[in-house]
Amino acid sequence: GAGVSQSPRYKVAKRGQDVALRCDPISGHVSLFWYQQALGQGPEFLTYFQNEAQLDKSGLPSDRFFAERPEGSVSTLKIQRTQQEDSAVYLCASSLDEGLGYNNSPLHFGNGTRLTVT
Amino acid sequence: DAKTTQPTSMDCAEGRAANLPCNHSTISGNEYVYWYRQIHSQGPQYIIHGLKNNETNEMASLIITEDRKSSTLILPHATLRDTAVYYCIVRAEGEYSGAGSYQLTFGKGTKLSVIP
Repeated sequence: GAGVSQSPRYKVAKRGQDVALRCDPISGHVSLFWYQQALGQGPEFLTYFQNEAQLDKSGLPSDRFFAERPEGSVSTLKIQRTQQEDSAVYLCASSLDEGLGYNNSPLHFGNGTRLTVT
Repeated sequence: DAKTTQPTSMDCAEGRAANLPCNHSTISGNEYVYWYRQIHSQGPQYIIHGLKNNETNEMASLIITEDRKSSTLILPHATLRDTAVYYCIVRAEGEYSGAGSYQLTFGKGTKLSVIP
């Protein structure tokens, strides 16, 4: 399909392990976002990329969280030394945003990665 | 903080129109009203957005009041598959202006239950 693809769909990690979550955005989409959604809550913003540039990481909860998008397409969210409070669904979204630097398109979300830290 | 207010939950009979209200009394001139929904175990799904004119697409209609302080999402013939949490979000359009300027800020949304 042509939607946002995330992998793995489910991830179980022992406390202290590092994890890497992958996002394949819609082809050609300039903007890419990561969100964290705790059980029963709305998604909360983590970080934003415009092509390969990470312009906003104000939502990352700690320095254990790191995101990259080296070639301006696929993105990886890495969480080091996972803690139980990191258990959540991690959502990736992309948007077209024609005209570099101009926000004018809806975000399209993937179905997320459910991370459980035991 | 989310800039919108929505009822926590609503019920709608299958086949009837579902009208979901949203208050956004502090909306700015360059902010659009966006609606998303989230079905259990899926990511949020884009429905519709608008600035000041009413909008319609294959999924829904969006009615925005003249003063833009509130809006209503209308699902004309609700089905059981429309059961979801519906989020109303305001988002500025324009050039990137720093942290927080592009993101969607989700509130708690309205849980719509479509009843057979």
